Amino acid sequence: AQSVTQLGSHVSVSEGALVLLRCNYSSSVPPYLFWYVQYPNQGLQLLLKYTTGATLVKGINGFEAEFKKSETSFHLTKPSAHMSDAAEYFCAVSDVRNTPLVFGKGTRLSVIA
Amino acid sequence: EPEVTQTPSHQVTQMGQEVILRCVPISNHLYFYWYRQILGQKVEFLVSFYNNEISEKSEIFDDQFSVERPDGSNFTLKIRSTKLEDSAMYFCASRGSRPQETQYFGPGTRLLVL
Repeated sequence: AQSVTQLGSHVSVSEGALVLLRCNYSSSVPPYLFWYVQYPNQGLQLLLKYTTGATLVKGINGFEAEFKKSETSFHLTKPSAHMSDAAEYFCAVSDVRNTPLVFGKGTRLSVIA
Repeated sequence: EPEVTQTPSHQVTQMGQEVILRCVPISNHLYFYWYRQILGQKVEFLVSFYNNEISEKSEIFDDQFSVERPDGSNFTLKIRSTKLEDSAMYFCASRGSRPQETQYFGPGTRLLVL
């Protein structure tokens, strides 16, 4: 079975600082990996995804993530945090077998002025 | 930009009552999903639906739950006899034909069972 582990339920950074949200996955087949963001009282919005090809994936709002097969990781980064980045971030895994998304527990990002 | 819509946005019901949550997936999508998120917890898969039948369901999706695509646009989740523990945010999602395509999520229906 697939699984996702997000280290750190809450991450706090200063405005302008690097954002690093960690995600490790388990999958018996090549994974499809996703990061979704959830703003308060809203639905899930796709930030970026990896399916095949280039392992460094760029998404919306300046976020990017790198698929590292050897480390089974798909960490999310942003060079400079903005106040508007404060939200809950979910890593999810699927694969070519049409399996439903399996989500991590989420990481709440706080940005301090 | 096409989007998934859900109604109602909030629903309050008494324990034991039936509720129907409605979703309108993106029009050319073929795969439909329901997920739920209990307050403070992770998003969990309930059921997937393709070609007018359930393609996969989780352990959560027991006999109290059913899904239906009553017409060409709506996709519904019915809970026959709600329990307190059914209180959650319910998300509908849809995607196109290829597995690598993105699942687009609706804004959710917040269900509160009293």
